Amino acid sequence: GAGVSQSPSNKVTEKGKDVELRCDPISGHTALYWYRQSLGQGLEFLIYFQGNSAPDKSGLPSDRFSAERTGGSVSTLTIQRTQQEDSAVYLCASSLTADRGETQYFGPGTRLLVL
Amino acid sequence: SQQGEEDPQALSIQEGENATMNCSYKTSINNLQWYRQNSGRGLVHLILIRSNEREKHSGRLRVTLDTSKKSSSLLITASRAADTASYFCATDARGTGRRALTFGSGTRLQVQP
Repeated sequence: GAGVSQSPSNKVTEKGKDVELRCDPISGHTALYWYRQSLGQGLEFLIYFQGNSAPDKSGLPSDRFSAERTGGSVSTLTIQRTQQEDSAVYLCASSLTADRGETQYFGPGTRLLVL
Repeated sequence: SQQGEEDPQALSIQEGENATMNCSYKTSINNLQWYRQNSGRGLVHLILIRSNEREKHSGRLRVTLDTSKKSSSLLITASRAADTASYFCATDARGTGRRALTFGSGTRLQVQP
């Protein structure tokens, strides 16, 4: 694809509900990253995929957060039993390889609001 | 405090002026990158500087890196109203298996027309 796409663009949910956020990386990119950005803050790393495996999940804030990637392409970030503090913009990025210095290309993000 | 702190937090200048933003980090790095973000959405990669480089140019952008001081600066020359955005530095740590970038909290640049 032309760029990284994410869906939905915006999601409003009630506290306690589960949400799924989707990321379509650039075609052929083997590495995929999820970040979270709270209002007015920098990005916080959540999880990184190399192919379909996740060598680094260290940023997931709790066991309510999980992610998977299938076919070396699309990734889904799932947040179970959402809490108000989960409200943030969730950004996905992909890079051609996971080598150091590879540019990460970001999607437009999903703005999540938990009421 | 977190890796990759930018200063100032906010900067307001007139069109045509130069804008300088600084970034400090704490650990040894392989590379440092600068990103731009409009309206709190997707980030756009601007420039990457490797740890063995001291200065890099790209159009109106000039980036410097001082690994002894663990700091970098981004200079935007002849600013335009369209440069209004938030600017983030991001580093990848040397000596770890970590592939994710560590971002600072950003500098919000406002260019007045």
